[in-house]
Amino acid sequence: EVQLVESGGGLVQPGGSLRLSCGAFGLTLSDHWMNWFRQAPGKGLEWVGNTSPDGSQRYYADSVKGRFTISRDNAKNSLLLQMNSLRAEDTAIYYCGQVAYWGQGARVTVSS
Amino acid sequence: QAVVTQEPSLTVSPGGTVTLTCGSNTGAVTAGHYPYWFQQKPGQAPTSLIYDATSKHSWTPARFSGSLLGGKAALTLSGAQPEDEADYYCLLTWPGVRIFGAGTKVTVL
Repeated sequence: EVQLVESGGGLVQPGGSLRLSCGAFGLTLSDHWMNWFRQAPGKGLEWVGNTSPDGSQRYYADSVKGRFTISRDNAKNSLLLQMNSLRAEDTAIYYCGQVAYWGQGARVTVSS
Repeated sequence: QAVVTQEPSLTVSPGGTVTLTCGSNTGAVTAGHYPYWFQQKPGQAPTSLIYDATSKHSWTPARFSGSLLGGKAALTLSGAQPEDEADYYCLLTWPGVRIFGAGTKVTVL
């Protein structure tokens, strides 16, 4: 059974930083393009970005470009999302996913 | 940037059939956009139902099917059940970017 588990969410002040991690069980992340998605409270889904299996290619939504960085640690079978210069509008549940498989999400709240 | 369009809401009777569509303002949706369909129930993470426009996962109920129809991706629910009441999102892919539609709220009533 595939299981993705996000961690690292929490409350952060505007302008602050946070790093999310995604661990995988039953799925070898280095075999797949991996994504981060998010969903603001009461809103729809938004693709945040993704990375190629070897990590050499990364793409981001315009809303996070230059502030968020996706990386992976294939040795630990994990995916990371470094979020800098956080804004109130980044408040959301963040999901990692292979697209077919999603985690249960990590809540990020940006507020003073 | 492309905009992905979906019906805001649809209602279907129990046992009935409903078709959700997913379009793009850039032109016809094709298999090259690798259309995905997701179901999301309140308080839960999304679940993928359909990938590559027409392919089902092992967990996808048989009553759901995907197609390309009239320049759009489509998700058809045949024989709606009360538990199918949910939000449904499509996801399209372009080089270097993926975009969700705003979602369709399906009510089974």
